[in-house]
Amino acid sequence: GQSLEQPSEVTAVEGAIVQINCTYQTSGFYGLSWYQQHDGGAPTFLSYNALDGLEETGRFSSFLSRSDSYGYLLLQELQMKDSASYFCAVHTGRRALTFGSGTRLQVQP
Amino acid sequence: NAGVTQTPKFQVLKTGQSMTLQCAQDMNHEYMSWYRQDPGMGLRLIHYSVGAGITDQGEVPNGYNVSRSTTEDFPLRLLSAAPSQTSVYFCASSSGQRAQETQYFGPGTRLLVL
Repeated sequence: GQSLEQPSEVTAVEGAIVQINCTYQTSGFYGLSWYQQHDGGAPTFLSYNALDGLEETGRFSSFLSRSDSYGYLLLQELQMKDSASYFCAVHTGRRALTFGSGTRLQVQP
Repeated sequence: NAGVTQTPKFQVLKTGQSMTLQCAQDMNHEYMSWYRQDPGMGLRLIHYSVGAGITDQGEVPNGYNVSRSTTEDFPLRLLSAAPSQTSVYFCASSSGQRAQETQYFGPGTRLLVL
């Protein structure tokens, strides 16, 4: 089976940098994705890592270490609108995703 | 493009009732899936389809049926609703060209079973 672990809550202030970690155990691994979900909304795609290293997309970056079964999402220059839940999800080759339980990020002024 | 649409947005059922949650996409995506999200938790895969006429079970398929007669539509049927099926249901689609394709989610259906 698959399991993912990520912190349940993170708090940071506007303008700061925050890192959300994700460790996983899977049978079969193609890559790690990150999704953002605002309260009452649908998940939206943020980033995807298939290979080790850092992927940057604007204020968001995502890192993967396949040997450590570990990844993180880095959010820079935090804004109030970044307050949301962030989910890591592994791709196991079935073209379906296995999601973590999510990290609730609260950005304070 | 409307993307992925879901109806209804909200539904209240009594235990034992049946209903169908509708999902449609206009992006000509091959791959569609249904997830459920319980409070404070991640999404769990119920069923998925890699193309018209092909469906398969996900992590939590019991109590749900699906069919895929067209590329656009992927309805989810609850045959006999139970309180444990109270949840938010999301439909998603992707082009299915690669395992890592971005999935696009619909707005969700909030279901309460009494």
